[in-house]
Amino acid sequence: EPEVTQTPSHQVTQMGQEVILRCVPISNHLYFYWYRQILGQKVEFLVSFYNNEISEKSEIFDDQFSVERPDGSNFTLKIRSTKLEDSAMYFCASSGSPVTYEQYFGPGTRLTVT
Amino acid sequence: GNSVTQMEGPVTLSEEAFLTINCTYTATGYPSLFWYVQYPGEGLQLLLKATKADDKGSNKGFEATYRKETTSFHLEKGSVQVSDSAVYFCALIGNQGGKLIFGQGTELSVKP
Repeated sequence: EPEVTQTPSHQVTQMGQEVILRCVPISNHLYFYWYRQILGQKVEFLVSFYNNEISEKSEIFDDQFSVERPDGSNFTLKIRSTKLEDSAMYFCASSGSPVTYEQYFGPGTRLTVT
Repeated sequence: GNSVTQMEGPVTLSEEAFLTINCTYTATGYPSLFWYVQYPGEGLQLLLKATKADDKGSNKGFEATYRKETTSFHLEKGSVQVSDSAVYFCALIGNQGGKLIFGQGTELSVKP
């Protein structure tokens, strides 16, 4: 069964450093998402991406964040200068349709900013 | 804006007990509704979904019915197992599509 994969599973970085979180969505999906979950809190939407551009972004997704689909398979989330409050689990998801089809989630990357 | 509210957890049940986790939503139009489950140390897995009023989603013994009149999508299971221990998230996608909006999650702990 096709699945979304994410690397690394755990990333530790120092405040102010840049990090890139990587995702490989399901191959025939066209809609891609990043969410995050701060420990013990609800899952929050960050950004959606379709046709090589951002479809929607939340207020969390400020200028420190960017997304890219550098090739036909990878989808990345970059945080330019990490802050302590960026520590969270980051989930990538993909979907075949933005409306009624379910989004399939990857296992997540736990980002720890020290 | 759209939102989802779930009952507070944690919920602790004995094995074979009946489970209900309440979920209500606020949305314009006709959203699609979902339950996701997160097992300890793992990511989010889709448990079930319903895309229109009166639809019943079901999977692994879990059920939820899309109730437009009460704006609810309560999760039920007739007989829980220890392996059902997890965090359950109710979520919606609005009728404009796009992002999932999640409830705060309900932790379920099932004791043998």
